Amino acid sequence: ILNVEQSPQSLHVQEGDSTNFTCSFPSSNFYALHWYRWETAKSPEALFVMTLNGDEKKKGRISATLNTKEGYSYLYIKGSQPEDSATYLCAFCCPGGYNKLIFGAGTRLAVHP
Amino acid sequence: ETGVTQSPTHLIKTRGQQVTLRCSSQSGHNTVSWYQQALGQGPQFIFQYYREEENGRGNFPPRFSGLQFPNYSSELNVNALELDDSALYLCASSLGADSNQPQHFGDGTRLSIL
Repeated sequence: ILNVEQSPQSLHVQEGDSTNFTCSFPSSNFYALHWYRWETAKSPEALFVMTLNGDEKKKGRISATLNTKEGYSYLYIKGSQPEDSATYLCAFCCPGGYNKLIFGAGTRLAVHP
Repeated sequence: ETGVTQSPTHLIKTRGQQVTLRCSSQSGHNTVSWYQQALGQGPQFIFQYYREEENGRGNFPPRFSGLQFPNYSSELNVNALELDDSALYLCASSLGADSNQPQHFGDGTRLSIL
């Protein structure tokens, strides 16, 4: 059974704080690692698709790194804002070779003004 | 471009009934995946359709079935509903079934089984 673990489960930070969270995934048969942001009452939004060991991707104040050999990815948010409050999901792709995502349970981030 | 739309938004059914959920994929996308999200968990993969053919299935019983139409819209059918089927059902479309394609999600259908 493939397992994707995210930590912490939830996080409360103050506006302006920088934060990071972790996604652990199987290190064998790696194809890609996806990150999504899911705001309450909206649909999950794709942030990054990471495919190469050592990849680092950035979108505004959010960045992510990837280590496929040890099976982890970090998501960083610099200078958190209240609008960053959401659940951040990572998903391991693609066991069996097709675009099937195995999701972690997510990290719920609350940014307080 | 039009995003992924799902209908209905909410649905209440009783045990033993059957339900059909619908999904319109984003314009130009030929791949649709369905996920079930129970409370406190990440979305669980049900199955994927690529160019009208099933292209992989998760650990769900045969009473979960699907269909993809020539316009790439899709349906998820669940027969003999059980209480544990209460969940948020998400549809996601992508441009092809490659691992480097991000999936674009709809808002989901909230299914409650009484």
